[in-house]
Amino acid sequence: AQKVTQAQTEISVVEKEDVTLDCVYETRDTTYYLFWYKQPPSGELVFLIRRNSFDEQNEISGRYSWNFQKSTSSFNFTITASQVVDSAVYFCALATSGSRLTFGEGTQLTVNP
Amino acid sequence: DTGVSQDPRHKITKRGQNVTFRCDPISEHNRLYWYRQTLGQGPEFLTYFQNEAQLEKSRLLSDRFSAERPKGSFSTLEIQRTEQGDSAMYLCASSLVTTWSGNVLTFGAGSRLTVL
Repeated sequence: AQKVTQAQTEISVVEKEDVTLDCVYETRDTTYYLFWYKQPPSGELVFLIRRNSFDEQNEISGRYSWNFQKSTSSFNFTITASQVVDSAVYFCALATSGSRLTFGEGTQLTVNP
Repeated sequence: DTGVSQDPRHKITKRGQNVTFRCDPISEHNRLYWYRQTLGQGPEFLTYFQNEAQLEKSRLLSDRFSAERPKGSFSTLEIQRTEQGDSAMYLCASSLVTTWSGNVLTFGAGSRLTVL
């Protein structure tokens, strides 16, 4: 069985602060993919990143960066210099040999001006 | 074709009524998925289609739920004899899959169901 845990239910920061969203996953499969999606107040889930289990290189995209560590089964997401527009619910998700995505419960990020 | 479209966006119904949701995926996508999301939770998988074939159904999909994708294009999700516990956001997503590659799902904006 697959499981994704996002221990932080809510995070509140002030604009320009850095913030890290934690994600821990469980799977017995050796081949899997990890994802982050953003769900703004409008409700539509927006894809942010996909990583496969064989690629532990960290990735940076603008203000966003991701740290994948198989040793701790974690795939954490950092937003640098947060902005009000980053306010949303962020979901970490896992896909293994099947097609379904298993999502975590999400972290509500609020960035205050 | 700008994305995944879902209709209606909101549906309020009385307990015991039937409801149907429609999803139009991105036209070149061959897979279509239905998820359900309740308040404060992550989306939960319901079912998916590859072209017109329904390949997997979750245990969450009770006998009152049925999904179809008759021509491999749009899909419908019908809930019969709705119950208050069916109140949720129903999300549709699509993807293009050629080989298993941890395919990226593109989601629609969802259809919110409220059962009174």
